[in-house]
Amino acid sequence: DAGVIQSPRHEVTEMGQEVTLRCKPISGHNSLFWYRQTMMRGLELLIYFNNNVPIDDSGMPEDRFSAKMPNASFSTLKIQPSEPRDSAVYFCASSLGGGDTQYFGPGTRLTVL
Amino acid sequence: AQSVAQPEDQVNVAEGNPLTVKCTYSVSGNPYLFWYVQYPNRGLQFLLKYITGDNLVKGSYGFEAEFNKSQTSFHLKKPSALVSDSALYFCAVRANSGYALNFGKGTSLLVTP
Repeated sequence: DAGVIQSPRHEVTEMGQEVTLRCKPISGHNSLFWYRQTMMRGLELLIYFNNNVPIDDSGMPEDRFSAKMPNASFSTLKIQPSEPRDSAVYFCASSLGGGDTQYFGPGTRLTVL
Repeated sequence: AQSVAQPEDQVNVAEGNPLTVKCTYSVSGNPYLFWYVQYPNRGLQFLLKYITGDNLVKGSYGFEAEFNKSQTSFHLKKPSALVSDSALYFCAVRANSGYALNFGKGTSLLVTP
């Protein structure tokens, strides 16, 4: 299995621009998670999908952040407009079920100038 | 509420010596406990987990962890450290009825030749 796939691996953008991060979960997994990692706050859960449906988005920082999962093999995390404080590494993870072991992608390192 | 504490920011060990990375947790109900490792510019890799059963859990790359309910701890151990074990290690906890993982801040392990 290819594992969780994320793209792009690195993204540099200017403040105010729209950013879209992409994730392909492991085939057969029905749960998908988006996390953000920063030095100050560590790893934070942003949103959790189960069977393509958002179950918990309480970690999404504000309305500038949105996430979708149109099908079982694809999810996006969008930031519009982006701000310098959004600079972080964003991870996608998937699991067989919500309570099973989560497997992480390589992450997207976002830098907002 | 659930939380994890990793009291050491960094652990230094000489190659060949045993290593321990500490983790204590707080959770309502029975804990599900996890260890992940993160190499530079990589995603988190699953090492091992405790759900129930034997308090000593064996995982990948020769790592093991001991669950201690009375001390609410789940320390990661390895009998003989390798230089290639140098990485960032994260402990995580979730309640048995939930899905959200709460991660510790991480402990940087440095194994010197």
